[in-house]
Amino acid sequence: QQQVKQSPQSLIVQKGGISIINCAYENTAFDYFPWYQQFPGKGPALLIAIRPDVSEKKEGRFTISFNKSAKQFSLHIMDSQPGDSATYFCAASMENGGFKTIFGAGTRLFVKA
Amino acid sequence: NAGVTQTPKFQVLKTGQSMTLQCAQDMNHNSMYWYRQDPGMGLRLIYYSASEGTTDKGEVPNGYNVSRLNKREFSLRLESAAPSQTSVYFCASRTQGTGNTIYFGEGSWLTVV
Repeated sequence: QQQVKQSPQSLIVQKGGISIINCAYENTAFDYFPWYQQFPGKGPALLIAIRPDVSEKKEGRFTISFNKSAKQFSLHIMDSQPGDSATYFCAASMENGGFKTIFGAGTRLFVKA
Repeated sequence: NAGVTQTPKFQVLKTGQSMTLQCAQDMNHNSMYWYRQDPGMGLRLIYYSASEGTTDKGEVPNGYNVSRLNKREFSLRLESAAPSQTSVYFCASRTQGTGNTIYFGEGSWLTVV
C-alpha cells in the first residue's frame, strides 16, 4: 500500500534528447507527488511537484504527466543536457494528516554530450 | 541560509561502536526526518519527528534511536554499529501545509568495518 515503484533504474540519453522516468503508486490517499533531483555528494532537492487534480505540470524543460486512474506519473526532461545528469527520485505523500513521504528507488540519469 | 546542517560528514566505525549523527535546521520546521540511502534502495525512512517532543518509527528503525532535542535539532544514534548500517544518512525537515517540500542536509557517509 505504501510503495512507490520507479523505473528505469538507470538511463542514458543523448544531449538534446528526451529523458522519461516512470513511477507507480498504490495508496490512493496520496495527494502530492514531488520529484527530487540529487547531484553526487549532495542531498536531494525538490525539482517539480504535482497534485492529482491536474494531468500535467510543466516547469521549463521539466514536465510531470499524471494518470490518476492508472496510479502512475512520469517525469519528462526535454532537450536533456549534460548538467541534468543526476539521480532522480519520485515520491508520494499526503498533504493533510500525513507526515511520511515515500520515495521511489531512484533513477540515475546520464546525458551524453 | 544554512537550511539543514548535519555532522559529521564522514565517519568510520568499528563493529559494536556507538555514535550520534547530529542535525539542526534553521527554517522553523515542525517535522524532521532521518533517511538512509543505499544503492538501488532509494531513500528509506528511519525515524521521524512530526513535532517537538514526538518521534515515530519509519520503515527501517531497527538498530537506531533518535532524540528530538528541541524544535531545531534531531539526532540519530547508533548504539552498536553493524556493517549493515554502512550507508549515507540524510537528515531532513519539512514545510507544513500545502507543498510539503522536504529539505535535505548534505548527507553523512558512514562506514562500519
